[in-house]
Amino acid sequence: AQKITQTQPGMFVQEKEAVTLDCTYDTSDQSYGLFWYKQPSSGEMIFLIYQGSYDEQNATEGRYSLNFQKARKSANLVISASQLGDSAMYFCAMREAGSNYKLTFGKGTLLTVNP
Amino acid sequence: EPEVTQTPSHQVTQMGQEVILRCVPISNHLYFYWYRQILGQKVEFLVSFYNNEISEKSEIFDDQFSVERPDGSNFTLKIRSTKLEDSAMYFCASRIDTNEQYFGPGTRLTVT
Repeated sequence: AQKITQTQPGMFVQEKEAVTLDCTYDTSDQSYGLFWYKQPSSGEMIFLIYQGSYDEQNATEGRYSLNFQKARKSANLVISASQLGDSAMYFCAMREAGSNYKLTFGKGTLLTVNP
Repeated sequence: EPEVTQTPSHQVTQMGQEVILRCVPISNHLYFYWYRQILGQKVEFLVSFYNNEISEKSEIFDDQFSVERPDGSNFTLKIRSTKLEDSAMYFCASRIDTNEQYFGPGTRLTVT
């Protein structure tokens, strides 16, 4: 079974609008962490945001927020006020307890921001 | 802002040759990782390294792979005898003792 599922291979959004990228996860651990990374066409992996399983508040970092719904095991990324530079591949990843903090990634969502 | 660096950015090698991919993690970080991403696919964990030894490795990380931290700054991934299927982007990552892992820009390995 996939540990991280990203069901949207591609998403389109108009500049200045908000967009939600979906991520669901599967773990039996009580302690885990969820991450989002951005991968532009140049290839590097850019850390965006982190949510711990015990965090009561949804994580926010500038225009990025993580909509964490623990009971549904979902950790959706919300990008507000999209910019052309947001066009990239977005990966959701999970760190499980006792895993040496290795990350398990989803297959990614390709976001295209239209002018 | 400190960052993880990797060299070379692109490596082309012939099947059967040895390659060494180099990484310089962020200086005060303690935990180091290698991941790979085959073109168009998701990022996969290879190995984690802490306190000068491997702490975990995936099934991908077979006897052809090895890692080393030869001095206080470099962290290397060696592939002894490359295969066509080793062609991928290889990412080094590091973290201090918090959750966030910071990735390098990657080395694109092409095996011909």
